[in-house]
Amino acid sequence: DSGVTQTPKHLITATGQRVTLRCSPRSGDLSVYWYQQSLDQGLQFLIQYYNGEERAKGNILERFSAQQFPDLHSELNLSSLELGDSALYFCASSPRLAELYEQYFGPGTRLTVT
Amino acid sequence: AQTVTQSQPEMSVQEAETVTLSCTYDTSESDYYLFWYKQPPSRQMILVIRQEAYKQQNATENRFSVNFQKAAKSFSLKISDSQLGDAAMYFCAYNGNKLVFGAGTILRVKS
Repeated sequence: DSGVTQTPKHLITATGQRVTLRCSPRSGDLSVYWYQQSLDQGLQFLIQYYNGEERAKGNILERFSAQQFPDLHSELNLSSLELGDSALYFCASSPRLAELYEQYFGPGTRLTVT
Repeated sequence: AQTVTQSQPEMSVQEAETVTLSCTYDTSESDYYLFWYKQPPSRQMILVIRQEAYKQQNATENRFSVNFQKAAKSFSLKISDSQLGDAAMYFCAYNGNKLVFGAGTILRVKS
């Protein structure tokens, strides 16, 4: 158990809908990262937050957004969903002021868009 | 942009034997970290081992060790005394200021 929690574990929704994925980092970790793992794209970095502020952006679509709250949990919002958004979405966290360090991953949320 | 290449899509090893997974990366940075993550069928991403680029000594974690060749930008993972539970997808990852993953190597362990 990495200490990172993600909810829900599974999500099935229809095209055009909007969903919210939730992540709680390890105790003491201020950085939260979101990744998408799909069969044809591998693991792709989406976005990073550090202590409530957006820190870095990767290959995140404009239909996707994220935020980190004062209690440090983070939410990833996916809207106008398309079939191609079906993937495993991971959240990871790392120690404060340590962007080079290892990241600890949550169990992931499997999103299926039908 | 940094890239990570895992040239072996799939590897097999006999139980109790040793296997080496290859990884190369491309970067112009001098300060970075390298990692191997394991993803078993549960899909959980599990950190196996890490290596700081400034350290010449190769990292070791129990049966897992790395061969880090900084000049060659090579970072291979050696698994000794392979066990059935080692069967998984293994990802090599580079962290300069963001984590970049290779495509992964599926490791099969034969009993």
